[in-house]
Amino acid sequence: DAGITQSPRHKVTETGTPVTLRCHQTENHRYMYWYRQDPGHGLRLIHYSYGVKDTDKGEVSDGYSVSRSKTEDFLLTLESATSSQTSVYFCAISIAGDEQYFGPGTRLTVT
Amino acid sequence: TQLLEQSPQFLSIQEGENLTVYCNSSSVFSSLQWYRQEPGEGPVLLVTVVTGGEVKKLKRLTFQFGDARKDSSLHITAAQPGDTGLYLCAGERTGAGSYQLTFGKGTKLSVIP
Repeated sequence: DAGITQSPRHKVTETGTPVTLRCHQTENHRYMYWYRQDPGHGLRLIHYSYGVKDTDKGEVSDGYSVSRSKTEDFLLTLESATSSQTSVYFCAISIAGDEQYFGPGTRLTVT
Repeated sequence: TQLLEQSPQFLSIQEGENLTVYCNSSSVFSSLQWYRQEPGEGPVLLVTVVTGGEVKKLKRLTFQFGDARKDSSLHITAAQPGDTGLYLCAGERTGAGSYQLTFGKGTKLSVIP
């Protein structure tokens, strides 16, 4: 749905470079999440936000940072990308933290 | 330790057959969701169950939440090729207080015409 977008949709980058992925919502939902999806591991939570400037770590937060300066935007930054961060990244939004609605995903390849 | 175990991991059936996939845990969940994900897309929410023993139907899909709220099942009647996809269950643990979902690894369903 148009309520949640991710950019870029695809990115190839080199090891050691910084990368920022953006999630934008038009639904004014309070909660926003970043997941990565890898074969054999399923969806794993990286970081989440429960309000503007309110964020917390998830299961696999090492090597990632996030920021949320506006309700509608949630940024995920890889400060120095590594090959182990090659993955598909999904953003999700939620009104109350239970039912989540996902974006289309960003496929990131770190060479 | 995987909090939510889904079975089977893979399922390939002929069009018209019935199937059931399972989502099991030793933890209690305040709610449980089922999602379907197609290749190259994000998961799409199908249903949420909240009450122990609850049964919800979505056309040919029937979802059940276990009495103890530790497990759930998804039954598809007369499967069609359009049902092909990755089915994920996800639960919000009771008392966790952190507004996070725990996801299973999914069941990959292929319905052959």
